[in-house]
Amino acid sequence: QKEVEQNSGPLSVPEGAIASLNCTYSDRGSQSFFWYRQYSGKSPELIMFIYSNGDKEDGRFTAQLNKASQYVSLLIRDSQPSDSATYLCAVNAYNYGQNFVFGPGTRLSVLP
Amino acid sequence: EAGVTQSPTHLIKTRGQQATLRCSPISGHTSVYWYQQALGLGLQFLLWYDEGEERNRGNFPPRFSGRQFPNYSSELNVNALELEDSALYLCASSLAVVGSNKNTEAFFGQGTRLTVV
Repeated sequence: QKEVEQNSGPLSVPEGAIASLNCTYSDRGSQSFFWYRQYSGKSPELIMFIYSNGDKEDGRFTAQLNKASQYVSLLIRDSQPSDSATYLCAVNAYNYGQNFVFGPGTRLSVLP
Repeated sequence: EAGVTQSPTHLIKTRGQQATLRCSPISGHTSVYWYQQALGLGLQFLLWYDEGEERNRGNFPPRFSGRQFPNYSSELNVNALELEDSALYLCASSLAVVGSNKNTEAFFGQGTRLTVV
């Protein structure tokens, strides 16, 4: 079982819609969860982090964490074409002996 | 405040040569992580340094090595370069606390694109 899994996409949504990106992880000891955005050819940029169960909102972005289900998601409201990128889920993997484990990423395409 | 800086931005080497990549973390960050990202693929964990010590390494051959200096900057060395080493090498830094179950967020540099010909 892979440590962090994401749907590779591409996920296509129309401009103005809500984009929902999902991530599951295998290490129950994980306590820190991060979402990064990566444009083609660029380095990942941190969007949000979440440590506690529930929702965390920052502007158009909402991160949701459910530790019991080992599931973390990112919602993007009022999606814009500039949101088109690959979104990487990262989890601290304390029980695997390394700090950050990244999922393969989900490619999001927001259609004008 | 300066972010994570990496040098050089681009590097072209011949197969069999050695490459040295450098990373300066955000001021105050003690942990440095190295990742390899081949074209169109995900981030593959290479190395993690904290307080000058190697804390963990990914599933890469020994010709990938590195070190962290007293000022927390780091160097990644790749010996005996192979064509498949061509990739974007990313460095990130954070305030991770070794032995803790939590991590602060990691910030990435702009990367070094290594091309092996």
